Amino acid sequence: GAGVSQSPRYKVAKRGQDVALRCDPISGHVSLFWYQQALGQGPEFLTYFQNEAQLDKSGLPSDRFFAERPEGSVSTLKIQRTQQEDSAVYLCASSLKGGTSGRRGTGELFFGEGSRLTVL
Amino acid sequence: GDSVTQMEGPVTLSEEAFLTINCTYTATGYPSLFWYVQYPGEGLQLLLKATKADDKGSNKGFEATYRKETTSFHLEKGSVQVSDSAVYFCALSDRGNQAGTALIFGKGTTLSVSS
Repeated sequence: GAGVSQSPRYKVAKRGQDVALRCDPISGHVSLFWYQQALGQGPEFLTYFQNEAQLDKSGLPSDRFFAERPEGSVSTLKIQRTQQEDSAVYLCASSLKGGTSGRRGTGELFFGEGSRLTVL
Repeated sequence: GDSVTQMEGPVTLSEEAFLTINCTYTATGYPSLFWYVQYPGEGLQLLLKATKADDKGSNKGFEATYRKETTSFHLEKGSVQVSDSAVYFCALSDRGNQAGTALIFGKGTTLSVSS
């Protein structure tokens, strides 16, 4: 597709359920980011992939959060045993270049519309 | 750590009014600075950027100047339109992060323009 696609757009889960959120980045984009956006807040970094390699997962809030990008394109963010505090919009973004393309990245990320997770 | 602080909203203006949304940052290095916009029902979009001190980013009538001495990147537009109603996010990138250009965002400022 032309842009970053995320699914599902909306997910309601009962506390304790596992959820999986999918991101389909722009074709050919090397870098892929996941962000978490709580209500009334700005996006907060979760994790970063360069192709299939997860180079930074320092933003993942707990070991219940897991992300993968096995073939360097589609990525899945999995949240195990969901808690109410996990309720947020999960944003995926991609960019053409990776960090090793130069010390100065463009910072131009292309965002999907997000997956809104509500944990009851 | 690095951070971004932007003025709290909502900002409510009449069409053709002058807009300023303040943004200041804290960073240990020399970050690039960005404004992203989120229109209702859409994903975040890059509005403008500046990569070094005194650079001015501009797009769609919006401008912001990278001021190192005041660590600021205020967003301005001379005459807003109803279609500018959106949430605006100031952000910086940590150039020292060799793993990628992850962005640090402010909390966002909601702009509502009425005709």
